[in-house]
Amino acid sequence: DTGVSQDPRHKITKRGQNVTFRCDPISEHNRLYWYRQTLGQGPEFLTYFQNEAQLEKSRLLSDRFSAERPKGSFSTLEIQRTEQGDSAMYLCASSLENTGELFFGEGSRLTVL
Amino acid sequence: EDQVTQSPEALRLQEGESSSLNCSYTVSGLRGLFWYRQDPGKGPEFLFTLYSAGEEKEKERLKATLTKKESFLHITAPKPEDSATYLCAVTNYGNNRLAFGKGNQVVVIP
Repeated sequence: DTGVSQDPRHKITKRGQNVTFRCDPISEHNRLYWYRQTLGQGPEFLTYFQNEAQLEKSRLLSDRFSAERPKGSFSTLEIQRTEQGDSAMYLCASSLENTGELFFGEGSRLTVL
Repeated sequence: EDQVTQSPEALRLQEGESSSLNCSYTVSGLRGLFWYRQDPGKGPEFLFTLYSAGEEKEKERLKATLTKKESFLHITAPKPEDSATYLCAVTNYGNNRLAFGKGNQVVVIP
């Protein structure tokens, strides 16, 4: 296991469709984070898990967004009824507990037409 | 809410021309300040963590310093491969999220 992997790397969808992204963290990391990044901006926090428990959610995470981490391993981020404003890079990161040293994946770029 | 402001937004340097990037922050109870490097189309890559004023960390041509209100990332004699966006982030004792700035986009010209 060499790092955080995300799938798919790119997704183009039509407005109103649902999309799901998957993240596989570094195996020994118990924390998993989702961030969103748009062009020219820094990453914005969406949510984080410690093991299987979702412990924090940002106000940015509307009810169209849902994240899961069953069994404390991989995680999925689903966006329902996508809107053009959802177009962004969705970044997943993992870490050991009590460290801010996040290891990021390559990201999943979403384009909503 | 934690706030991070980075300046300058963009910087063009000649190879070998040293410079500094600034990260000003407002946070209630700083737990840590982080520097990341991000290449186009890729996720951020961790560089440094600083915890208290006066602390310094070095890695190759990069040196990060921290005061009570800001951090600097000094790039000494940069090379073209140092071209990237450098992101600064902070975390406080009240939560476990990193609050990022917009980044400093650095281009080093051969």
